[in-house]
Amino acid sequence: NAGVTQTPKFQVLKTGQSMTLQCAQDMNHNSMYWYRQDPGMGLRLIYYSASEGTTDKGEVPNGYNVSRLNKREFSLRLESAAPSQTSVYFCASLGAKDQPQHFGDGTRLSIL
Amino acid sequence: GQQVMQIPQYQHVQEGEDFTTYCNSSTTLSNIQWYKQRPGGHPVFLIQLVKSGEVKKQKRLTFQFGEAKKNSSLHITATQTTDVGTYFCAGLTGNQFYFGTGTSLTVIP
Repeated sequence: NAGVTQTPKFQVLKTGQSMTLQCAQDMNHNSMYWYRQDPGMGLRLIYYSASEGTTDKGEVPNGYNVSRLNKREFSLRLESAAPSQTSVYFCASLGAKDQPQHFGDGTRLSIL
Repeated sequence: GQQVMQIPQYQHVQEGEDFTTYCNSSTTLSNIQWYKQRPGGHPVFLIQLVKSGEVKKQKRLTFQFGEAKKNSSLHITATQTTDVGTYFCAGLTGNQFYFGTGTSLTVIP
């Protein structure tokens, strides 16, 4: 049982480049989340999708876009990467609000 | 805006000593979850508290949720080297989880 799978695991970009981070879950969960984790700041919510077909902004959405492609997949896109977006990105899924979030292994993104 | 503050940011203890981390929310929470993250890893769920004043125990770990559902604590009795990691609280408001900044625990053998 794979759980939450994120690709890629590592990526280095140049300022201004674009890329898409992929996330897929096989637990039939309704809700999916994208967080970024920076030293000393915990995890901050970028965007979330409470159900297939819906997306909403979190705390730090600027510079990002998301797509809930289907129930399984939730992608995060950086249209024009900036050094301030250097971070570790985690995708998570949730079956119901009284259940735990399941996290992927993260994508370590560096922007030069 | 919504904030969840967590203290302390770092804690170094001798093996066998106790450890406590505290979370405080600026608003009332629907529930609060606790996670542990090892260096280089992803957050792993420990427990969820839902009811006002709730207390739950997992072996040496004790979790509390405040009466006003705005604060929570995690207490570890007699720490072991396997307890090393960063502990996060995550409070649910609406459809969003707000994570605390985490407490990094170092256990000195």
